[in-house]
Amino acid sequence: GDSVTQMEGPVTLSEEAFLTINCTYTATGYPSLFWYVQYPGEGLQLLLKATKADDKGSNKGFEATYRKETTSFHLEKGSVQVSDSAVYFCALSDTMEYGNKLVFGAGTILRVKS
Amino acid sequence: DAGVIQSPRHEVTEMGQEVTLRCKPISGHDYLFWYRQTMMRGLELLIYFNNNVPIDDSGMPEDRFSAKMPNASFSTLKIQPSEPRDSAVYFCASSTPGQYSSDIQYFGAGTRLSVL
Repeated sequence: GDSVTQMEGPVTLSEEAFLTINCTYTATGYPSLFWYVQYPGEGLQLLLKATKADDKGSNKGFEATYRKETTSFHLEKGSVQVSDSAVYFCALSDTMEYGNKLVFGAGTILRVKS
Repeated sequence: DAGVIQSPRHEVTEMGQEVTLRCKPISGHDYLFWYRQTMMRGLELLIYFNNNVPIDDSGMPEDRFSAKMPNASFSTLKIQPSEPRDSAVYFCASSTPGQYSSDIQYFGAGTRLSVL
């Protein structure tokens, strides 16, 4: 079945450092791809999404590009802040296979130090 | 919109007791999902509904777990009897298909369950 693999954390960075969190997926169809973020004590919230190959999702300085040839959707940010400390989840949605069901990765903890 | 509302936010109970978690989805959303999050297993989908009908309950761990959606604005997840290994954060999420918003799930703040 479809699956999502994320780099293991925690990832610890200093403020203003460059961030990359790797995400690769396995899917039989043509999924949409997502990054969700979970701040401490809260539920998940959508950070960005891309629905087809070569699409770039962006929000709050974060970006990710849908790479069909490498089946990847890596999350990047040029300069992280302490407030970015959270858990980041990569996910895919294959409507043909699962309806509106999402397949989530294991999550990557990001810690940003001042 | 108030978003997805879950209650209670925290629940502490003793082993063997019945636990009921509640969820109010975003008005107009016709998909509702129940998830469980633990350190060991991460985020697991337990069950989801479409138009109040359960579509996939393959993630429900065992018969002690049951979920209902009696109407479009309310769902419950019940554990009877509860066990310490059920301790986790339970999330409810809702979504609606659409050209520009399909697949986006909106999560509640979660219920942190502790079974002693």
